Amino acid sequence: SAVISQKPSRDICQRGTSLTIQCQVDSQVTMMFWYRQQPGQSLTLIATANQGSEATYESGFVIDKFPISRPNLTFSTLTVSNMSPEDSSIYLCSVRGQNANTGELFFGEGSRLTVL
Amino acid sequence: AQTVTQSQPEMSVQEAETVTLSCTYDTSESDYYLFWYKQPPSRQMILVIRQEAYKQQNATENRFSVNFQKAAKSFSLKISDSQLGDAAMYFCAYRITKNTGNQFYFGTGTSLTVIP
Repeated sequence: SAVISQKPSRDICQRGTSLTIQCQVDSQVTMMFWYRQQPGQSLTLIATANQGSEATYESGFVIDKFPISRPNLTFSTLTVSNMSPEDSSIYLCSVRGQNANTGELFFGEGSRLTVL
Repeated sequence: AQTVTQSQPEMSVQEAETVTLSCTYDTSESDYYLFWYKQPPSRQMILVIRQEAYKQQNATENRFSVNFQKAAKSFSLKISDSQLGDAAMYFCAYRITKNTGNQFYFGTGTSLTVIP
């Protein structure tokens, strides 16, 4: 398993501002994943953060809105830019487990953002 | 299209009783992995159980077991001797084996209430 720490755990933000979420893993991992969980909904993959290269974004998500950094193999940040109330969600950082076959995900505790 | 359907948005069970959460999925792939995740009110997603699609034997983890019906593309979770700590949102998910990236497909979740 992996221990993943995220901060902030929650925040209330004003419309138009930006917030950066940090994710720290207790072991080196090649890929880190950022998910969004909107109220009452399932998880949607935003992007995959690769160390040493640009993040790979899923359809519907763009770098200008969700810039990602991956400075080393244990850390990543996700910024939610120019926030609107529609960005109110839980944002989850995750990594793959050590089992290369099953590849189950491990998650941080999430960052609950409320945009007013 | 890769989809996961959890048809029960909410379920409840008496403490010490057994409950089954349903999940169906749609994929044209033959090799994949299935997972059940638990998300308690603290928000951290925790892996409950996993199943390799090539295995006929149903996975079991203590009080948690699955009923995997590959032909029917069904993957239900049975919780025996339910405890108050089992109260959470449960997500069904799968990942196809040939996908070297991370695209997990999650259901919309089932909220489980355990009644004392």
